[in-house]
Amino acid sequence: EAGVAQSPRYKIIEKRQSVAFWCNPISGHATLYWYQQILGQGPKLLIQFQNNGVVDDSQLPKDRFSAERLKGVDSTLKIQPAKLEDSAVYLCASSLDHPGYTDTQYFGPGTRLTVL
Amino acid sequence: KNEVEQSPQNLTAQEGEFITINCSYSVGISALHWLQQHPGGGIVSLFMLSSGKKKHGRLIATINIQEKHSSLHITASHPRDSAVYICAVKLNSNYKLTFGKGTLLTVNP
Repeated sequence: EAGVAQSPRYKIIEKRQSVAFWCNPISGHATLYWYQQILGQGPKLLIQFQNNGVVDDSQLPKDRFSAERLKGVDSTLKIQPAKLEDSAVYLCASSLDHPGYTDTQYFGPGTRLTVL
Repeated sequence: KNEVEQSPQNLTAQEGEFITINCSYSVGISALHWLQQHPGGGIVSLFMLSSGKKKHGRLIATINIQEKHSSLHITASHPRDSAVYICAVKLNSNYKLTFGKGTLLTVNP
């Protein structure tokens, strides 16, 4: 079974530039998560999708971050414009999530973003 | 105060030693995850627990719901076990995973 795929693996940009990350979850997984992990900290949930709908985006800085999952499969996360404090690893995860059942989240390899 | 606290923050061991990493949480949970993160960022889920104990190879995870505490044990540690180990809990109040800051384990040959 193929895992969660993310690209690019690394990205270096200057502040005020734009950047986009892509995630392909495990086939059949309805729930997709984007996390931000700043060095030395645990991951922080940015947004959660159930199929193509947003379940939770309460911690997404909506003035500069946006995410979509138009067909309920792949997802993109965009930052525009980037700030220095956006330097982090961006992790995508997916889970099967049967109703009433807490399922395991499977994580992708992450995209390491450096903003100069 | 973080809802999930891990200890120690950093741990250095010699190959073959028995390792214990602890996780305490302050709220009601429906499940607890232990995750492994290698340099480069990728995360692997090791265990998901809601009670008792689970074992996989040299890894053992236990949870005490009453005491709000979980431990991850590694027997006969090996340099390839070197990684960050993260505890994450799924709160009863919502569906989110709340993460600890991780424990950096270095196993020297």
